[in-house]
Amino acid sequence: GAGVSQSPSNKVTEKGKDVELRCDPISGHTALYWYRQSLGQGLEFLIYFQGNSAPDKSGLPSDRFSAERTGGSVSTLTIQRTQQEDSAVYLCASSLAWLGETYNEQFFGPGTRLTVL
Amino acid sequence: SQQGEEDPQALSIQEGENATMNCSYKTSINNLQWYRQNSGRGLVHLILIRSNEREKHSGRLRVTLDTSKKSSSLLITASRAADTASYFCACWWAGSYQLTFGKGTKLSVIP
Repeated sequence: GAGVSQSPSNKVTEKGKDVELRCDPISGHTALYWYRQSLGQGLEFLIYFQGNSAPDKSGLPSDRFSAERTGGSVSTLTIQRTQQEDSAVYLCASSLAWLGETYNEQFFGPGTRLTVL
Repeated sequence: SQQGEEDPQALSIQEGENATMNCSYKTSINNLQWYRQNSGRGLVHLILIRSNEREKHSGRLRVTLDTSKKSSSLLITASRAADTASYFCACWWAGSYQLTFGKGTKLSVIP
C-alpha cells in the first residue's frame, strides 16, 4: 500500500513569504506527527494530531507556525512570514496507534526541504 | 532534557565488521525505538523494545536495553555498504505525546 507522502519535496521561498506543507498519512492511521530536522541534527517534534485534534502543540516554535488536519487524514503545516532560521527538512509521520498505547511505530514521509532565502 | 543521546556521533567501519551504537536517556521510558535515515530524508523504523524487555533481534540487528543504566545499544552484524546511514534512537515516556529523538549516529560502511 501507499506510504506517507509529502508535498512539495522541495520549496524555496523568500523571507517574509508564507508557505504551506502538505502531508498525506497512511490510510487508517489516526495519529499524525510533524517534525523539523535542521542540517546534521536530530528530529525536533513540532505537533501531534490524534484524529483532527492536536493534543500536543508544544513543539511549534512560534505563533508563525500552525497546522491543521481535516477528515482525520491530510494535514497542512503553515509557516507565515518565513525566516531564514525556518530552513530545514520538515518530516511528517503517521502511526496506527496513538502514543498512549504501548506500540507506536511511526511511518515517515520523505520530507519537504524548505529553503528560505 | 529527556532526549535520548546516541554515541558515537560518527562511526566508520569496513564491510563485514560489526557496528555498535549506543543510546542513553535520562527518564524512565515506556519503550525505545531505533530508526534509520538515508540521505537526510524519511526515517525507517527498525525495531522497538519495551521497557520490560532486555533484548530483541531482527535479522542482522540486535537491540539491548538496560533500564538500570538507562541505556540501549544497537548492534548491526556483518555490515554491508548499504547499511551506511544515520541511526537514531527514539524514546517514549508514559504520559507523553512525544516520541523524542536523539541526534543520531552517522555510520559509514566502507566496501
